[in-house]
Amino acid sequence: KAGVTQTPRYLIKTRGQQVTLSCSPISGHRSVSWYQQTPGQGLQFLFEYFSETQRNKGNFPGRFSGRQFSNSRSEMNVSTLELGDSALYLCASSLQGRDEQYFGPGTRLTVT
Amino acid sequence: LAKTTQPISMDSYEGQEVNITCSHNNIATNDYITWYQQFPSQGPRFIIQGYKTKVTNEVASLFIPADRKSSTLSLPRVSLSDTAVYYCLVDGYNKLIFGAGTRLAVHP
Repeated sequence: KAGVTQTPRYLIKTRGQQVTLSCSPISGHRSVSWYQQTPGQGLQFLFEYFSETQRNKGNFPGRFSGRQFSNSRSEMNVSTLELGDSALYLCASSLQGRDEQYFGPGTRLTVT
Repeated sequence: LAKTTQPISMDSYEGQEVNITCSHNNIATNDYITWYQQFPSQGPRFIIQGYKTKVTNEVASLFIPADRKSSTLSLPRVSLSDTAVYYCLVDGYNKLIFGAGTRLAVHP
């Protein structure tokens, strides 16, 4: 079966702009989680969506938001971009949320 | 809030057993422990998950003592392809906390 896909794979934005990242989970998976990965902070949990509802949230400012659609696809939005938002954004899907997560290849966001 | 601590790096040789320990002193009753492997330019890949005692699958074993304040990932007979970063994750109801990762280098 097809894996988790993320689009776009690479993105360059300037400070102050906003960005939307997309994640398509594995078919049948209802849970989608988002993570930010940077060399300095490592892997940090952003939020989890399950059946179109945000179920868990990490310690990120309100500029980071997300949503999930009825087909389980998810989007993540970052508004008013800052240089420190440059990172690899990973999406992971799972059947129920606390079981094995399957990660996508990530979207590398560069903010200049 | 559970915080995890794991060694920054480890070195091993092909054919050896590697044990990576993760400390999670504030683990909550309902938290699970999961380990992931990550290669450069790829997303993490699930290795094993456990709650207590010992769990074994075809690639690794996970040892969790009774107090659950730590866990040890055991990789039997590593090969060069096991060179990667290994993450310990405490999966709580409200938070998912990744460790900083252990960079394992396997030498010939």
